[in-house]
Amino acid sequence: SYVLTQPPSVSVAPGKTARITCGGNNIGSKSVHWYQQKPGQAPVVVIYYDSDRPSGIPERFSGSNSGNTATLTISSVEAGDEADYYCQVWDSSSDHRGFGGGTKLTVL
Amino acid sequence: QVQLVQSGAEVKKPGASVKVSCKASGYTFTSYYMHWVRQAPGQGLEWMGIINPSGGSTVYAQKFQGRVTMTRDTSTSTVYMELSSLRSEDTAVYYCATSGYSYGSNDYWGQGTLVTVSS
Repeated sequence: SYVLTQPPSVSVAPGKTARITCGGNNIGSKSVHWYQQKPGQAPVVVIYYDSDRPSGIPERFSGSNSGNTATLTISSVEAGDEADYYCQVWDSSSDHRGFGGGTKLTVL
Repeated sequence: QVQLVQSGAEVKKPGASVKVSCKASGYTFTSYYMHWVRQAPGQGLEWMGIINPSGGSTVYAQKFQGRVTMTRDTSTSTVYMELSSLRSEDTAVYYCATSGYSYGSNDYWGQGTLVTVSS
């Protein structure tokens, strides 16, 4: 199965930029979705198809995908951004999808 | 508005089966795929499989093949996920979630159903 690797944790001061990576073999050839999950809540998609942003998601959230790494970037981080973030891809070879292990974003 | 309402919490003994339902409203039921994703306590998200409500076709994650069955009832706009031979490691919150394409993002999620497996 296709393996996605995320750092377990990322810490950032308010107002700074957070970058959360998602590594996978040639992930740049796949479509990556990103989800935010706060405690006790269902996940919410914040970026889909690498870099598209759903309505209602602040412009501070952006995504990129190239080579072996996809990146979720959150600029001007706010306390309310503190959450777990997961990347997700669909593997066309197996018709399966998978999640990265998740990254806990801490706002200092 | 799109709503996915799941059935309530369950407590099961090891070896038993559980069937979780997910009732959809606010859209054409057969127009969106439905996925099942679970999350063990303190752990990450785990994709279990997908069902196409239009024809009922399914794809299951390798880990669950032989133990999971996903079905749908178009008359009630409800999808079901049944997991058999339960063990303690299956204790988790189970979510249903839609996608517009099999490879698309999961745009809408149910509230989650806690399944506890304990003797």
